[in-house]
Amino acid sequence: KAGVTQTPRYLIKTRGQQVTLSCSPISGHRSVSWYQQTPGQGLQFLFEYFSETQRNKGNFPGRFSGRQFSNSRSEMNVSTLELGDSALYLCASSFYRGDVETQYFGPGTRLLVL
Amino acid sequence: KNEVEQSPQNLTAQEGEFITINCSYSVGISALHWLQQHPGGGIVSLFMLSSGKKKHGRLIATINIQEKHSSLHITASHPRDSAVYICAVRGIQGAQKLVFGQGTRLTINP
Repeated sequence: KAGVTQTPRYLIKTRGQQVTLSCSPISGHRSVSWYQQTPGQGLQFLFEYFSETQRNKGNFPGRFSGRQFSNSRSEMNVSTLELGDSALYLCASSFYRGDVETQYFGPGTRLLVL
Repeated sequence: KNEVEQSPQNLTAQEGEFITINCSYSVGISALHWLQQHPGGGIVSLFMLSSGKKKHGRLIATINIQEKHSSLHITASHPRDSAVYICAVRGIQGAQKLVFGQGTRLTINP
């Protein structure tokens, strides 16, 4: 099975612009989560989607939004970019066997805001 | 105080040493995850625990729910084990989002 894929892998934007990142989960995985990783804050949860519904949301401003499509692919959007949005954005899809969850992470999209 | 605290933050050891990384949390949890992140950013999920102990190869993870504490052990450490190890917990109340520790940077010297 192909792993979790994220596009693009690298992105440079300027302040005020918006950006859309894409994540394709492993085939058959219905849960997709997004995370932001920065040197200062470490890994932080953004949102989680399951079967096209947002199941959980982290403590990020409304400029951060996401959605999931019927094929489980997910996108996240950041509007009005700020310098502090520069980060590695990771997507993970989850597989559940009973109560046991295994997360599979994508390679990430590295966003630089100038 | 962070909900999830890891110790140590940095650890350097010689090849072959027994390694222990600790994770303490302050909230009720449904599960605890140990993750490994290599230079370049790729993250691999090592274990998910809700009780007891799990073993995979040279890696052992334990959790004590009453003490709100988990440990990750590496036996016969090898330079390829050099990575950042991250503990994350999923809460049982409110939004069940994953909350991460700050990570432990492990360097194994040959």
